[in-house]
Parts: sequence; structure tokens; C-alpha cells
Amino acid sequence: GENVEQHPSTLSVQEGDSAVIKCTYSDSASNYFPWYKQELGKGPQLIIDIRSNVGEKKDQRIAVTLNKTAKHFSLHITETQPEDSAVYFCAASGWEGKSTFGDGTTLTVKP
Amino acid sequence: EAGVVQSPRYKIIEKKQPVAFWCNPISGHNTLYWYRQNLGQGPELLIRYENEEAVDDSQLPKDRFSAERLKGVDSTLKIQPAELGDSAVYLCASSGEMMHQETQYFGPGTRLLVL
Repeated sequence: GENVEQHPSTLSVQEGDSAVIKCTYSDSASNYFPWYKQELGKGPQLIIDIRSNVGEKKDQRIAVTLNKTAKHFSLHITETQPEDSAVYFCAASGWEGKSTFGDGTTLTVKP
Repeated sequence: EAGVVQSPRYKIIEKKQPVAFWCNPISGHNTLYWYRQNLGQGPELLIRYENEEAVDDSQLPKDRFSAERLKGVDSTLKIQPAELGDSAVYLCASSGEMMHQETQYFGPGTRLLVL
């Protein structure tokens, strides 16, 4: 089955700096890669996603890049703000709709 | 539009007791998922429904866990009897939007503590 590895497990940045979280996946058949933000006591919320026919996608301060050959994808957050502090999860899913999640990255943005 | 609704939000039970979780997906979403999230880990799929049919229950511990989605809308996940290791957050998600069939929307979860 699919295996998703995510790193780093914790990331601390100063407000205004950029943050990058990376994930690798094992199944070349995976074609959909969402990123979720989970705040304490809440369920994961989709913040951005990318499909395998696209190499990069951007939404304001958030961007995701995908390298299908290397089987890795990354989340980029620019101009970080304290409210960006949360746990971020990547996931990979294939045609059958089953998603495999990484173990999360705890992002702390220091004011 | 209302999101995925789950209840209860918190549950504390003693081991060997039964427990049930309820989920109401986003209106019109055909696919419903139950996940278990252990502390410090990502969600792990327990079961996936397409309408009322369980299409992937390979990770559901069938000796003690059961689920149903009667009429293809609401769903219930049950544990009987609960064990200490079942303490976790149980998340429900749904998907099925016209242009983004695979995008999953999560509920707030039920936090289960087994004593």
C-alpha cells in the first residue's frame, strides 16, 4: 500500500519568515495530494491540494509543488503569521479514493 | 452550508463498555469516511462508504468495531467492547462535490478516552 513520509515533525519560524514542509510517497499511482491544517481540538481543514497533472499551485501565501518523478511534494507558506501555527498534514490518494496521511508537522510561528 | 457534523464531541468510558459515534456528512456527499487519529499521528482510514455500501473496510478491526450507513446518509461507528488502546480521536469525513470528487471535508471529531 501507499506510504507517506512527512518532515520535519516540528518547525519553528519567526513571524514573516517562510516555512516549508516536505512529503514523499511510495505509490506512483497516487494522483491527488491535499494538505490539511489542524488546529487544537478541531478536525483537519483542507488548505490547498494539487493533482498529478500540475506541477505547482498557489493560493495567496500558500503554494504546493509536486515532483512526480521523485515522488515528493512540498507545502510553502510565505510571510508566516502567528495564526498559521497549527499541525499540518499531507496526504496522497489514488484513483480508488483512499488517502494515506503523513504524521504531521507542528508549525510554530513566533511573534 | 453546514459542514460535517459529529457527536458526541467527547466521550469517556471504562474498558469493556460499548460506545457509538454518529456522523452526518455534508448534504449531497456520497462518500463517507471514518478515520482514527492517535495522538501525534495522521488520520488512519477505518472504513469508506460509497452511498450505503462499505467499499473499503480492510483496516476496520471487525472483532470489536462495526459501522453502518443506512439510507446512504448518516453513519454510526460502534466499538464493543472498548479497550484501552481505542483511546483516540475518531474523525468522520465526506466527499463528492461535482467538480472535486476526491476532496474530503472533515468533521470536528469525537475524542474517546477509555479508562
